[in-house]
Amino acid sequence: AQTVTQSQPEMSVQEAETVTLSCTYDTSESDYYLFWYKQPPSRQMILVIRQEAYKQQNATENRFSVNFQKAAKSFSLKISDSQLGDAAMYFCAYTEGAQKLVFGQGTRLTINP
Amino acid sequence: EAQVTQNPRYLITVTGKKLTVTCSQNMNHEYMSWYRQDPGLGLRQIYYSMNVEVTDKGDVPEGYKVSRKEKRNFPLILESPSPNQTSLYFCASTNRVGGLYNEQFFGPGTRLTVL
Repeated sequence: AQTVTQSQPEMSVQEAETVTLSCTYDTSESDYYLFWYKQPPSRQMILVIRQEAYKQQNATENRFSVNFQKAAKSFSLKISDSQLGDAAMYFCAYTEGAQKLVFGQGTRLTINP
Repeated sequence: EAQVTQNPRYLITVTGKKLTVTCSQNMNHEYMSWYRQDPGLGLRQIYYSMNVEVTDKGDVPEGYKVSRKEKRNFPLILESPSPNQTSLYFCASTNRVGGLYNEQFFGPGTRLTVL
């Protein structure tokens, strides 16, 4: 079964600095998708960024970018110029299709002003 | 507005009292799922449905039932709730278009407490 591991239960960063959240996964498949979701105190699940496994280029969305290492099965999220609104729980997730997302345990990110 | 709705948003109940959490989506999505979120465990899939009258177990199905009689609705049923089902529940929906995966749309969540 596929698994996703986030080894950092909590992280903190100074406002305007850069922080990287780690994620590793285990799968025997070659075609899949990876995601980072943000969950603010409102509890809403917000898609931050996605990566298709067949794409070698790392995905980027404004201040958010990923470092996708397929051979190492690693998928880290880098947040540049951290803002107070970035404070949230972040979940890494994996899927092969529409049936199921497999989530990591989550990393709680605190932004220090 | 494209959305997934859940009701109720908050529910406190007692052990053994049957309850239903409703989920509805207005995007004509084929795939719908239920997840539960627990501290330190992330979100885990309870049940999913690939279309009307087609449902299957996820990773943690014990103590739950679902039905998919209409494409837009996917209720979660707890026939005899127990305290270990106290959790935050999310409904999600998605589609596949041309073989490509689309993102999952999540509902706002239902906080359930079973006393």
